[in-house]
Amino acid sequence: QVHLQESGPGLVKPSETLSLTCTVSGASISNHYWSWVRQSPGKGLEWIGYTYSSGSTNYNPSLKSRVTISLDTSKNQFSLTLNSVTAADTAVYFCARGGISPFDSWGQGTLVTVSS
Amino acid sequence: DIQMTQSPSSLSASVGDRVTITCRASQSISRYLNWYQQKPGKAPKFLIYAAFNLQSGVPSRFSGSGSGTDFTLTISSLQPEDFATYYCQQSYDTSLITFGQGTRLEIK
Repeated sequence: QVHLQESGPGLVKPSETLSLTCTVSGASISNHYWSWVRQSPGKGLEWIGYTYSSGSTNYNPSLKSRVTISLDTSKNQFSLTLNSVTAADTAVYFCARGGISPFDSWGQGTLVTVSS
Repeated sequence: DIQMTQSPSSLSASVGDRVTITCRASQSISRYLNWYQQKPGKAPKFLIYAAFNLQSGVPSRFSGSGSGTDFTLTISSLQPEDFATYYCQQSYDTSLITFGQGTRLEIK
């Protein structure tokens, strides 16, 4: 059973950088796609981007200039950084296994609020 | 961008009812369509992949159909635990993965 767990600050100031980590257990991070998906309060799901175990990445064009997703295979983790955040980036952030493949396993989600 | 439009946006039904949710893509996506269920405060749960294939462990009362631009998710006999929000998602264009806006299924 794959288990994903997001971690990181729940409050980020405007213009600063949001950083989250997803720790994967029960499966190797190798040979899979790993994604970040977010959900603004009361809204639908927005795909942020994915990485593959080779290190290749693909990002939502609307966020591409501000997003980096990276892998740490030694820790079986992958991470999200989002620069220059505004209130519009306030959301629950989910990590998930999938990208080109369906999102078959999800973390519980973590709320990140952008506020001074 | 491939836009995914679900209908209805919300739906009221009773336990035992048969319900159908529709998802329409703005262009043909073959069968690259997945369905998810989300309950309040929880992560989405993966239900169906490639339009009609049930994920392991998903009850057989759930079914999916369609290809091209028009897809449906059907629940044959609603159970209390099925009241949730359902999302479709296209994986045809993986340069921009998109979800439908969601269909909220409520108890009548």
